[in-house]
Amino acid sequence: DQQVKQNSPSLSVQEGRISILNCDYTNSMFDYFLWYKKYPAEGPTFLISISSIKDKNEDGRFTVFLNKSAKHLSLHIVPSQPGDSAVYFCAASARVNYGGSQGNLIFGKGTKLSVKP
Amino acid sequence: NAGVMQNPRHLVRRRGQEARLRCSPMKGHSHVYWYRQLPEEGLKFMVYLQKENIIDESGMPKERFSAEFPKEGPSILRIQQVVRGDSAAYFCASSPIGTGDSPLHFGNGTRLTVT
Repeated sequence: DQQVKQNSPSLSVQEGRISILNCDYTNSMFDYFLWYKKYPAEGPTFLISISSIKDKNEDGRFTVFLNKSAKHLSLHIVPSQPGDSAVYFCAASARVNYGGSQGNLIFGKGTKLSVKP
Repeated sequence: NAGVMQNPRHLVRRRGQEARLRCSPMKGHSHVYWYRQLPEEGLKFMVYLQKENIIDESGMPKERFSAEFPKEGPSILRIQQVVRGDSAAYFCASSPIGTGDSPLHFGNGTRLTVT
């Protein structure tokens, strides 16, 4: 039973255009969402997060949107660069279960982004 | 990924042997998490520890797997009598105490191959 789903295994985008990566979740207890980027043979690197009390968070070229009613979040990268080519993981946590600390992160299976020059 | 140190980076074991994976959290972090990634899969939670205390081990297989985070030294994930299905990348992450808005910081993983 996948609680966090990334339905697109791969995405190809031209350099300079927008990349939109999508993520759906099923557990209404999730209150904290994160995006991680992963290169081969390395660990995931934190990109951006959003709390359930917000619907948007922006950090430079990266923006995360949260639609709680649809249980959907998306990561927008604009403009996309070749160095953004990596696997992107969506993750979620129900912090209330751990007294406010992050605890157990549930990950999606990832979307492989390829940004072509 | 600077800060969370995992070793070894690669570990080869024959079926039936023991595997020990080590993780030193970032300086100042007292919470450690272990995740496993199978090929073409996302990261699966295994266990969440604080110093000398297991907080959540709901993702740990019931047999052969154990984890500890002693008062001194690194966290250890131990797999006894390894089988081929244990071949995976094992990632450790850490976080500071009680910071609900702080992301987990991951190490570069240990790739276990069971022959």
